[in-house]
Amino acid sequence: GEDVEQSLFLSVREGDSSVINCTYTDSSSTYLYWYKQEPGAGLQLLTYIFSNMDMKQDQRLTVLLNKKDKHLSLRIADTQTGDSAIYFCAERPDGRGSYIPTFGRGTSLIVHP
Amino acid sequence: NAGVTQTPKFQVLKTGQSMTLQCAQDMNHEYMSWYRQDPGMGLRLIHYSVGAGITDQGEVPNGYNVSRSTTEDFPLRLLSAAPSQTSVYFCASSYSKTDLNNEQFFGPGTRLTVL
Repeated sequence: GEDVEQSLFLSVREGDSSVINCTYTDSSSTYLYWYKQEPGAGLQLLTYIFSNMDMKQDQRLTVLLNKKDKHLSLRIADTQTGDSAIYFCAERPDGRGSYIPTFGRGTSLIVHP
Repeated sequence: NAGVTQTPKFQVLKTGQSMTLQCAQDMNHEYMSWYRQDPGMGLRLIHYSVGAGITDQGEVPNGYNVSRSTTEDFPLRLLSAAPSQTSVYFCASSYSKTDLNNEQFFGPGTRLTVL
């Protein structure tokens, strides 16, 4: 099965909050990431959280980590049309020699007026 | 810094043709990797390298070869293109396992169509 799972689509109204969820399977994950991909572009790191944290806030972004349930979420406050993109959750397990993260399938966030 | 660059941006091949997708980074990163992105499939790792002279297979390596003769360059070779290799290909690099968060830096992608 997949190491990292996310729902494929999320549709919100401009000004509302968006919550994108992710589950992962490797309990040794040390870093968990959210990447953003805008249309026609590569991925860019949006934010990350270390596994000994349970929350990280950065302006409109809030990352919540439930390590017991292996659940990660990204909340975007006051969602704007410019936030429309694909959001990828990724984990980097400890002990994997290559330190190459594993990505989920991505959640397409659609923001409508 | 130019970051991670990929060429070409677009390519159309006929079945059976071979070609090389180029990837270069100027950040002195140790790790480089190639992914393909297909609708609904997310990013799948093709091959990766943890340093010059060292490469390893990812999740979907069949039909692709890589080499890493320098720190900067990590070309991806399609030996005999097949329609199933129609995809968007991304190259990425990151510093090292001692880097604080091991952020991956992605290139802009190469859109490949195999007829």
